[in-house]
Amino acid sequence: KAGVTQTPRYLIKTRGQQVTLSCSPISGHRSVSWYQQTPGQGLQFLFEYFSETQRNKGNFPGRFSGRQFSNSRSEMNVSTLELGDSALYLCASSPRAASYEQYFGPGTRLTVT
Amino acid sequence: AQSVTQLDSQVPVFEEAPVELRCNYSSSVSVYLFWYVQYPNQGLQLLLKYLSGSTLVESINGFEAEFNKSQTSFHLRKPSVHISDTAEYFCAVSRNTDKLIFGTGTRLQVFP
Repeated sequence: KAGVTQTPRYLIKTRGQQVTLSCSPISGHRSVSWYQQTPGQGLQFLFEYFSETQRNKGNFPGRFSGRQFSNSRSEMNVSTLELGDSALYLCASSPRAASYEQYFGPGTRLTVT
Repeated sequence: AQSVTQLDSQVPVFEEAPVELRCNYSSSVSVYLFWYVQYPNQGLQLLLKYLSGSTLVESINGFEAEFNKSQTSFHLRKPSVHISDTAEYFCAVSRNTDKLIFGTGTRLQVFP
């Protein structure tokens, strides 16, 4: 089975812009979770989607949003980018909702200048 | 609320030496515990997990971790490290049907 794929792998944006990141889960997995990884804060949970519904959300401002499509692919959007949004954004898929069994993609490295 | 503490941000060690990466957690309820490894420019991979049963869990590449409920710890050990073990290691905790909470990570640097 193919693993979790994320596109793009690298992205450079300017403050104030918005960005959309994409995640394709492992075939058959219906849950997708997003994490932000920074050197100072480590890995922080953003949100989880299961069957096109957000079922859990971390402590991030409303500028961070996501959605999931009927084929389980997920997108994450960040509006009005700030310098502090520079991070590695990781997506993880799981066969079930709220499961510890998560398979991570390689991440999207976002740099905000 | 649950939390995970990895006290060591970096651990330098020579090849073939033993290593211990420390992890402590806090939780008022029973939890599941995990160690993930992240190699450069890659996502996280599950290294090992404790769900229940034997408190000593092992991975296929020689790492082991022991769940110590009284000390609320889940330290990761390997008796003899290899250059290829150089990576970042994350401890994580989860209750059943709940999201993973990660520690801040420990960078293991193995020198020849």
